Amino acid sequence: TQLLEQSPQFLSIQEGENLTVYCNSSSVFSSLQWYRQEPGEGPVLLVTVVTGGEVKKLKRLTFQFGDARKDSSLHITAAQPGDTGLYLCAGPSNTGKLIFGQGTTLQVKP
Amino acid sequence: DVKVTQSSRYLVKRTGEKVFLECVQDMDHENMFWYRQDPGLGLRLIYFSYDVKMKEKGDIPEGYSVSREKKERFSLILESASTNQTSMYLCASSLQGALDTQYFGPGTRLTVL
Repeated sequence: TQLLEQSPQFLSIQEGENLTVYCNSSSVFSSLQWYRQEPGEGPVLLVTVVTGGEVKKLKRLTFQFGDARKDSSLHITAAQPGDTGLYLCAGPSNTGKLIFGQGTTLQVKP
Repeated sequence: DVKVTQSSRYLVKRTGEKVFLECVQDMDHENMFWYRQDPGLGLRLIYFSYDVKMKEKGDIPEGYSVSREKKERFSLILESASTNQTSMYLCASSLQGALDTQYFGPGTRLTVL
């Protein structure tokens, strides 16, 4: 069974701090997606990484796909309260469906 | 912009009731999905549909059924609601299949008493 494990599950930091959240698996994925879900809303796609070792930047967010395509990380620089939300990684399963990690809940305090 | 709407944001039902959750998307997407979201478990796929009148079971279909009579509308049905179906239900759509970008609705928080 393919699983995506995210860590940490919860993170509470002050505005301006840096942070990294992780998405790990024992399985190889052809690609991984990162979604952000704000309170009261559905998840919204942030980025898709498809090549081992790939790094993508979205303003203050940096996404990296592991060389072996078994893991990914999301680094946020100088976090702001607007970054608060649930961060989900997702990847394609062997059966062609998208499977999700359990998510990292981030709270950024002003 | 793709818009996915869900009929209710909050719903309270009693055990044994039949419950309908409606989802509508406005971008002519072929694929539609129903997930449930529970703390610590992420999103789990209940059912999906890749065409009108077509449906496939996801990972946790027990206790649920679906209906897709029109391309833009995908309904989730709880035949006899139970307390363990209390959850957040998310609908999504995509253009080219489950692995394409999925666009989510705002969710329906269902409480079964």
